[in-house]
Amino acid sequence: GAVVSQHPSWVICKSGTSVKIECRSLDFQATTMFWYRQFPKQSLMLMATSNEGSKATYEQGVEKDKFLINHASLTLSTLTVTSAHPEDSSFYICSASPRGGGRTDTQYFGPGTRLTVL
Amino acid sequence: GEDVEQSLFLSVREGDSSVINCTYTDSSSTYLYWYKQEPGAGLQLLTYIFSNMDMKQDQRLTVLLNKKDKHLSLRIADTQTGDSAIYFCADLNRDDKIIFGKGTRLHILP
Repeated sequence: GAVVSQHPSWVICKSGTSVKIECRSLDFQATTMFWYRQFPKQSLMLMATSNEGSKATYEQGVEKDKFLINHASLTLSTLTVTSAHPEDSSFYICSASPRGGGRTDTQYFGPGTRLTVL
Repeated sequence: GEDVEQSLFLSVREGDSSVINCTYTDSSSTYLYWYKQEPGAGLQLLTYIFSNMDMKQDQRLTVLLNKKDKHLSLRIADTQTGDSAIYFCADLNRDDKIIFGKGTRLHILP
């Protein structure tokens, strides 16, 4: 089946530093990748949608300068949390789709990255 | 705005059936999903149902959809300890975006 990996699985950083999270589709080419954020006991909130080779589309309320998304290849998307602060601490999950996402089972989720900002 | 609601916690004895309920508000939802999230892991799609269906069965899983009441349920027969997880209900909105509920934590009693 389709596998999506994320790296790192967890990261602890100091306030003010930047953190990069990678999302890779291992056995398929992902035309679209999605980044979600999950707070404790909360649902997943879609942060942005990225299509390979073009700028990401951010959801309302998500700061694009804070959460930089790059989808430079069909198998890799990165999320960089710039100048991280404790309120950015969360579980970040990516998903990848070979055909644009949505619908039936075409979004494959990564295992998530837990970010803790001290 | 669109909303998906589900109870936060369910406790079931091993071997019994688990029924997780969900309500949604978007009448234009075309697909409804159930995802499973095990501790520290990402989401796994368990099953989905198209909005013109009212039931779908897949081994131990049964999904019931009442489109009139915008109510979706997931029944897990013969619940096992490995079923312990958080179950997310989600729907696909008119913009092809998946809207998630907050998740129901299923706890299995011995």
